Amino acid sequence: ETGVTQSPTHLIKTRGQQVTLRCSSQSGHNTVSWYQQALGQGPQFIFQYYREEENGRGNFPPRFSGLQFPNYSSELNVNALELDDSALYLCASSAPGQGLYGYTFGSGTRLTVV
Amino acid sequence: KNEVEQSPQNLTAQEGEFITINCSYSVGISALHWLQQHPGGGIVSLFMLSSGKKKHGRLIATINIQEKHSSLHITASHPRDSAVYICAVPRGYGGATNKLIFGTGTLLAVQP
Repeated sequence: ETGVTQSPTHLIKTRGQQVTLRCSSQSGHNTVSWYQQALGQGPQFIFQYYREEENGRGNFPPRFSGLQFPNYSSELNVNALELDDSALYLCASSAPGQGLYGYTFGSGTRLTVV
Repeated sequence: KNEVEQSPQNLTAQEGEFITINCSYSVGISALHWLQQHPGGGIVSLFMLSSGKKKHGRLIATINIQEKHSSLHITASHPRDSAVYICAVPRGYGGATNKLIFGTGTLLAVQP
């Protein structure tokens, strides 16, 4: 059983709408990363949050934004949804000093944009 | 060219066969991550290794840092091993945790 919980598990939205995906990390995991996985592809890094501030960003437009909260939860927000945003969105968290060894993934939210 | 390449992309095996999945990368790394992803999406960490070999049950992972190559082996494969296997390497991005660069995955189907 993973210590990282994502919600919802599945979601269908219409092109142009906005969506918020949520991730609840284990206590003490103050680093969270979000990834987008298109069908048949490996996950692509969207951004990382560390101590509630963005700490790095991949090649995604500004309409992808995030928040991290003191209770180790975080959000991924996507505005003006496009059909190509249909994908599995994964969050992964880790605790200080653990680096990759403490990397824990959630089960993902599958977003379908129609 | 992707920084992380996996082969094969698809693999079908008969139950009991020995399976090898390969991962090559073009960047300098300190460690490599093997992950398993079942239908439905959830990713599970199998191995993290920086040198030599690691074994867990029927799974064996090896890495050669100088050759920038890693392999994941499954002995006595079973239908429940059917999944996507992904290798990933860290890329420094500051902060407490590096981001991961993922390969495209190997879809393994083990038939009874």
